[in-house]
Parts: sequence; C-alpha cells; structure tokens
Amino acid sequence: KQEVTQIPAALSVPEGENLVLNCSFTDSAIYNLQWFRQDPGKGLTSLLLIQSSQREQTSGRLNASLDKSSGRSTLYIAASQPGDSATYLCAVSGSGNQFYFGTGTSLTVIP
Amino acid sequence: NAGVTQTPKFQVLKTGQSMTLQCAQDMNHNSMYWYRQDPGMGLRLIYYSASEGTTDKGEVPNGYNVSRLNKREFSLRLESAAPSQTSVYFCASSEPTSGINNEQFFGPGTRLTVL
Repeated sequence: KQEVTQIPAALSVPEGENLVLNCSFTDSAIYNLQWFRQDPGKGLTSLLLIQSSQREQTSGRLNASLDKSSGRSTLYIAASQPGDSATYLCAVSGSGNQFYFGTGTSLTVIP
Repeated sequence: NAGVTQTPKFQVLKTGQSMTLQCAQDMNHNSMYWYRQDPGMGLRLIYYSASEGTTDKGEVPNGYNVSRLNKREFSLRLESAAPSQTSVYFCASSEPTSGINNEQFFGPGTRLTVL
C-alpha cells in the first residue's frame, strides 16, 4: 500500500521568506501527484497537479517538483504572505483509481 | 458553476441512527469519491465510483454504503451510526484521461458527530 509522508507537520516562518514543503511516497509507480491547500474548517483547494512524466509545475508564486525515482515532491512558495497560512496536503495517484494523501504540513506565516 | 456541493454541512446523530450524505458535481466528471478526514490520519478513501453505475471500496468502507444515482450525484449512507464515524466527510470528483485520474476537486465537507 502506498504510504505518503509530509515533514514537517508544522512550520512557522516570517513574512517574505521563501519556503519548501516536502512530500515523500513509498511506491514510485504513480500516475500523478497533486498539491492542495486546506484552510481551517474548509474543503481542499487544488494548487498544482504534476503528471508522472513531468518534473515540475508552476502557478504564480508556487512551484512544485517531482522526482519519481526517489519518491519525493517539493512545493516551493516564494515570498510568503500571511494569506498563505493554511495546511498543505499532497496526494499521489497510482493504479487502482485511488489517491493516497499525506497528513499535511500546517504553515503559519508571521506578519 | 458550483463545482462540488455537499449537504448537509453539519450533522449530529445518536448512536444507531442512519443518515445519507449527499454530493453533486456540475463538471460532468466521471469519477467521484468519498473520503473521511480525521486528526493525524489524513484523508482516507471510503468508496469511489469510476463511472455512473459502478462503485468500489476504498481503504475504510466498513459501516458505509454508497449510491451513484446518476453522473452528477454520489451519496454516502451510514446505516447505523457509531461514535467511530465521527469525522469530516469530503466528496470529490475528477475526470480520467485514458483511464488515469486527473485533478481532483473537493466539496466543502460535512462535519458529522455521532454521540
């Protein structure tokens, strides 16, 4: 069974700092990896989807990379803002039509 | 374009009661999913439906049943609620390409408490 890990569980940074969130998975036979943002008491908002054939995807201040062979993905957030404070989740999709989620990294950006 | 909608937003049940959580999507997606989210455990798949008329068990199906009513709607039923089913329930949808799942879109969730 695919295991997805996100470290650290919580991260606090000052506003303006660039930061990296990590996601690792045990089975490299994935079709794609998706990063989400979840605000307290809310649903999940899709940020980026990386197909297995891609190395990275960018959206605004966000850049996600994927290294399938090592079972790792990173989400880079440039020039962090207080509005970026949320929990960030990654999920991988493989055979069997299922997605497997990590437990998330709770990010706090301090003004 | 509402995306994925879920009803109700909140529900409190007593042990043994039954209820149905409703989910609908207006993106014409074939695949739909039900997850539960518990503190420290991430999201776990309960059931999914790859297309209208098909359903399959996920990681934690015990105590639940589902119905894919049509392409838009996918409901989750708790026949006899237990305190262990206290959780936040999310519905999601996606549109596969050549059988491979693409981006998932989530509803706002249903917060269920079983006393």
